[in-house]
Amino acid sequence: GDSVTQMEGPVTLSEEAFLTINCTYTATGYPSLFWYVQYPGEGLQLLLKATKADDKGSNKGFEATYRKETTSFHLEKGSVQVSDSAVYFCALPHTGGFKTIFGAGTRLFVKA
Amino acid sequence: KAGVTQTPRYLIKTRGQQVTLSCSPISGHRSVSWYQQTPGQGLQFLFEYFSETQRNKGNFPGRFSGRQFSNSRSEMNVSTLELGDSALYLCASSRDGASTDTQYFGPGTRLTVL
Repeated sequence: GDSVTQMEGPVTLSEEAFLTINCTYTATGYPSLFWYVQYPGEGLQLLLKATKADDKGSNKGFEATYRKETTSFHLEKGSVQVSDSAVYFCALPHTGGFKTIFGAGTRLFVKA
Repeated sequence: KAGVTQTPRYLIKTRGQQVTLSCSPISGHRSVSWYQQTPGQGLQFLFEYFSETQRNKGNFPGRFSGRQFSNSRSEMNVSTLELGDSALYLCASSRDGASTDTQYFGPGTRLTVL
C-alpha cells in the first residue's frame, strides 16, 4: 500500500548550516507530493509541493525535487535559521482518494 | 481570509465520557478531514467529508464518528473515551479534496482523558 518514510529525528543544526531531510514514498502512479511544517503549538501548514515528476517545489529558501526514479522528495535548505525549528512532515495523497498519508515527522532544532 | 478554526482548543474529560469537537473550514472549502496526532503514532487519518458525505475513513473504532453540515462545518464525536484517546485532533480543509489540493489545518483541539 501507499506509504511515506522520513528520516528519523531529531536533527540538530547550528544556524547557517545546510539541511537535508530525506523522504521516500511508495505509491501507485505519480501522486502529488507535499512538505508540511508544524511550529510549536500550531497546526500544520504547507511548506511546498510538487504535482508531477521532476517538478521542484520551493518556498522560504526550502526546496524539494520530485524524483520518480528514486521515489524521493528530499527537503533541503542552504542556510537554516533558529526560526526554522519545527517538525517537518512529508505527505502524499492516498491512491484510493480523499485521504493524505503523512510521514512520521522530523523534528529540527536550530541552535544560535 | 479567515483560516480554519477549531473549538474548543483544550478539553479534559474522564474515561467513559463522550466528546464533540468542532471545525469550521475556510470559506469556499467543501472538503474537511480529521486527523489524530500522538507522539507514538504520529498523524493518523480519521475521516474525510465532502458535501455532507463521508468519502473515506481511517482505521479507527466505531466510537469515532463525524458529520458535516450543509455550510461545510464539521464535527467529530468520540464516545466512551479511553485513556489512549488523549491526543491533538487536527482538522484540515481544502477546496474539494483533490489529490493536488493543499490542505489548510486548524490549530487543533488538545484532548486529555483522565
